[in-house]
Amino acid sequence: EDQVTQSPEALRLQEGESSSLNCSYTVSGLRGLFWYRQDPGKGPEFLFTLYSAGEEKEKERLKATLTKKESFLHITAPKPEDSATYLCAVQATSGTYKYIFGTGTRLKVLA
Amino acid sequence: KAGVTQTPRYLIKTRGQQVTLSCSPISGHRSVSWYQQTPGQGLQFLFEYFSETQRNKGNFPGRFSGRQFSNSRSEMNVSTLELGDSALYLCASRQDTDTQYFGPGTRLTVL
Repeated sequence: EDQVTQSPEALRLQEGESSSLNCSYTVSGLRGLFWYRQDPGKGPEFLFTLYSAGEEKEKERLKATLTKKESFLHITAPKPEDSATYLCAVQATSGTYKYIFGTGTRLKVLA
Repeated sequence: KAGVTQTPRYLIKTRGQQVTLSCSPISGHRSVSWYQQTPGQGLQFLFEYFSETQRNKGNFPGRFSGRQFSNSRSEMNVSTLELGDSALYLCASRQDTDTQYFGPGTRLTVL
């Protein structure tokens, strides 16, 4: 069964303290892996799409990487405004193109 | 381009009533997906419509239904509301099988 697991569930960082969020996946064939940021009470905001192992993408303080079994979202020198829930999703090559979401990592960055 | 829009943004209903939520996708996007998000369950996939046809379906009871119009706008209906239906309902659109973009959501409260 296709599955996505995110860790940790919650993370507290001091401002400037870099860290990584993990997204492990099991899927029959990966079509794409997606990262989103979600603020409380709002819709998820698209961050990155990764398609193949070894691919990396960057945006400001965020960098996403992909291997054959997992993806990491690296946050460099975070600021309080980076506080949010980060969601990972995968899309399988088989048939239906559904997204399978993880439960997210709640990130809190303290000033 | 305008993003995904959802109406209404907030809704309060009582048990037993029914509700209709609306979603207008990004111009040119033919796929619309609906998700339910609750604190305990995370993002749960309801269904996806593509060119007016339901392409995917999640594991929700028949009280949850949807449709898509020829202009790609979509509606979701929930009949015989239950307390447990209180949630943030999110709509997401994409051109075909690629990256999804989410709307701001409709917050439904069932009393």
